[in-house]
Amino acid sequence: DAGVIQSPRHEVTEMGQEVTLRCKPISGHDYLFWYRQTMMRGLELLIYFNNNVPIDDSGMPEDRFSAKMPNASFSTLKIQPSEPRDSAVYFCASTYLARTDTQYFGPGTRLTVL
Amino acid sequence: DQQVKQNSPSLSVQEGRISILNCDYTNSMFDYFLWYKKYPAEGPTFLISISSIKDKNEDGRFTVFLNKSAKHLSLHIVPSQPGDSAVYFCAASASRSSGDKLTFGTGTRLAVRP
Repeated sequence: DAGVIQSPRHEVTEMGQEVTLRCKPISGHDYLFWYRQTMMRGLELLIYFNNNVPIDDSGMPEDRFSAKMPNASFSTLKIQPSEPRDSAVYFCASTYLARTDTQYFGPGTRLTVL
Repeated sequence: DQQVKQNSPSLSVQEGRISILNCDYTNSMFDYFLWYKKYPAEGPTFLISISSIKDKNEDGRFTVFLNKSAKHLSLHIVPSQPGDSAVYFCAASASRSSGDKLTFGTGTRLAVRP
């Protein structure tokens, strides 16, 4: 299995631009999580899905952030418009055993907003 | 408001000695605790966990201790090896289920010197 796949691995954009991060979970997994890692706050859960349905988006920082999961094999996290404070590493994770210790993380997308 | 705190951003240990990483939490609803390990340019991977009904869990060189009254847990690595050099994240959840989200700390960077 290829594991959780994220693209792009690195993204550099200018303030005000739209950014779309992509995630392909492990096949068969029914939970998908989006996290953001910063030095100040560590790993923060932004949103998670179960069977493609958003369950908890309370971690989404503001309306500029949105996430979708149109099918079981694909999810996007969009930031529009982007701001320099959005610069962070964004991780996607998936699991199927409904256990927190079986979350498999992707390699992350390092976002830099200039 | 950081509910899971790792107050030491970094730790340096000699190879063969014990590494002790600490974590404090504030939310009394947390019932399940985990440690994740992260290498550069990779996503975090699950290392070890402990339920609140236990005060110790051991897996090879890794042992996690939980002190519920103090709301404190620690990860012991004995003996430490250079390959253990990574960032370690403490995490907590209200249960073992993926329906209860993980709250992570800010991480501790461990460097094991040969």
